[in-house]
Amino acid sequence: KQEVTQIPAALSVPEGENLVLNCSFTDSAIYNLQWFRQDPGKGLTSLLLIQSSQREQTSGRLNASLDKSSGRSTLYIAASQPGDSATYLCAVLGAEAQKLVFGQGTRLTINP
Amino acid sequence: EAEVAQSPRYKITEKSQAVAFWCDPISGHATLYWYRQILGQGPELLVQFQDESVVDDSQLPKDRFSAERLKGVDSTLKIQPAELGDSAMYLCASSLEATRGTQYFGPGTRLLVL
Repeated sequence: KQEVTQIPAALSVPEGENLVLNCSFTDSAIYNLQWFRQDPGKGLTSLLLIQSSQREQTSGRLNASLDKSSGRSTLYIAASQPGDSATYLCAVLGAEAQKLVFGQGTRLTINP
Repeated sequence: EAEVAQSPRYKITEKSQAVAFWCDPISGHATLYWYRQILGQGPELLVQFQDESVVDDSQLPKDRFSAERLKGVDSTLKIQPAELGDSAMYLCASSLEATRGTQYFGPGTRLLVL
């Protein structure tokens, strides 16, 4: 059974810092991995999707990497801003079950 | 920009009552998903549709939950009777293709059962 873990559960940093969020998964047989952002009480916004054959994806200040063999992904946020404050969720689409399995998220706070 | 629509946004009900949630996916998206998210946790898949057919409902509590997508477009998720433990955010998502496409999420319906 696929399990997804995100560390840390919460992170608070001053504005302007570069930061890394971590995601690990137990079964490397995946189709893809997605990073989402969720604001309090709202739905999920897709940030980046990495197919299993890819190593990384970039969008603006965000860069996500995927190491399928070790079961790890990182989300790098450059020059953090207060507007980046949200919960960030990692999810993997398993090749066998073909359903998205989510981690519990990292709650990020950027302090002005 | 096309979005997934959900209604209602909030629902308060009493235990043992029936509730229903509606979802309209992005036009052309064949795959539709219903998730439940308990506060502080990641979403968990309840049911997945490919067009009008159920692909996966292994985590759907079928004694009280039902879902349908009759014409392969919009979908309804029903709970009858609601229990206190059903209080959660119910999220709908859609994608062009189940195994490769990005899943796009709606704003969710927050359910409180009293």
